[in-house]
Amino acid sequence: SQQGEEDPQALSIQEGENATMNCSYKTSINNLQWYRQNSGRGLVHLILIRSNEREKHSGRLRVTLDTSKKSSSLLITASRAADTASYFCATDARGGSNYKLTFGKGTLLTVNP
Amino acid sequence: DVKVTQSSRYLVKRTGEKVFLECVQDMDHENMFWYRQDPGLGLRLIYFSYDVKMKEKGDIPEGYSVSREKKERFSLILESASTNQTSMYLCASRDRGNTGELFFGEGSRLTVL
Repeated sequence: SQQGEEDPQALSIQEGENATMNCSYKTSINNLQWYRQNSGRGLVHLILIRSNEREKHSGRLRVTLDTSKKSSSLLITASRAADTASYFCATDARGGSNYKLTFGKGTLLTVNP
Repeated sequence: DVKVTQSSRYLVKRTGEKVFLECVQDMDHENMFWYRQDPGLGLRLIYFSYDVKMKEKGDIPEGYSVSREKKERFSLILESASTNQTSMYLCASRDRGNTGELFFGEGSRLTVL
């Protein structure tokens, strides 16, 4: 089963609006990462948040992590048409294999100009 | 610029053919991964390798094998391709340890007829 599950599956917004995507996971983690994928391309790393962190910023991105609820959110502020992509969360499970990340199914974000 | 290169972006093969998907990274990373990506299923881990000649099964290894003879190269092999192996295949690498980001190739879209 998927360790991370993103919500919603698809999100459509207007340029300039904020986009929020959520990720839930099942087991304890070492860290949680967010990736972006443009259509037909490979994934690109956006941001990593460790299990002892609660919030992290990078440019227009803000990630929060609530380990008590086993959930994370990715906020993209002032969205642009170029932000249109799929977004995935990925978790490194604490106590599990040291070497693999488990991905969710992704949120497809469409930003309309 | 760090790079993960997948040798073929698009392949079309026939059922029963032997298929090789090649992946090369130039970052001297210990860990390399093969995922497949299908609509509605997200990314699923096929195999990963944490050192030369070392490999470990992921979540869906059936029908696949891998080879890692050199540190920079990780090959995915379909011994006898089947139509249900039509998919996007993504190779990734990362440095030693379990806290780093994955670097992905552009993907290989395989169609088995």
